[in-house]
Amino acid sequence: NAGVTQTPKFRILKIGQSMTLQCTQDMNHNYMYWYRQDPGMGLKLIYYSVGAGITDKGEVPNGYNVSRSTTEDFPLRLELAAPSQTSVYFCASSPGQANTGELFFGEGSRLTVL
Amino acid sequence: AQTVTQSQPEMSVQEAETVTLSCTYDTSESNYYLFWYKQPPSRQMILVIRQEAYKQQNATENRFSVNFQKAAKSFSLKISDSQLGDTAMYFCAFMKQGGSEKLVFGKGTKLTVNP
Repeated sequence: NAGVTQTPKFRILKIGQSMTLQCTQDMNHNYMYWYRQDPGMGLKLIYYSVGAGITDKGEVPNGYNVSRSTTEDFPLRLELAAPSQTSVYFCASSPGQANTGELFFGEGSRLTVL
Repeated sequence: AQTVTQSQPEMSVQEAETVTLSCTYDTSESNYYLFWYKQPPSRQMILVIRQEAYKQQNATENRFSVNFQKAAKSFSLKISDSQLGDTAMYFCAFMKQGGSEKLVFGKGTKLTVNP
């Protein structure tokens, strides 16, 4: 019953460093998403994917990149980290094509950029 | 673009009592869905309840029910017989039909259930 797994759970970066947040799901879901959650601001969509090889920008994509080479994995790459990217990042997945709106979330990755 | 507004940043309720969380939204879409998600402290976010806009009947899930007022673009969540385990952040969310299941979230309401 792994569901959606995110790593790492916590990370501190220096300004200008790069890193990748890993996300994998074992439910064979077609759709995957990356959201960021800032205090008092709800969740904002960064990128999403409707299947392997297909990605698209969400509401706040600047400073991030994604890839989807397999159904299971959807890593989020931060290039040249900035303090504005300090946030909690959530990966989620959905079976898709059913309009259920039920997303399955990971536990989150708390990133601090100093 | 769609927006979702939750006007109550924090609320509290006594155990066993009833509480209502408010949500309003703005959209020009005709076909859409509305949701309430729950994020317990240090735990994963989970779906609480879902409402299809074309349905007039309000959705219910055990102690959770909604009051969906389509004309007013209002979607409130009522929690009956509140339990300590209901303590969490609650997010209202919107999804337009056929939109790759991308959800637009409100800022959330922090609910505390007191013993």
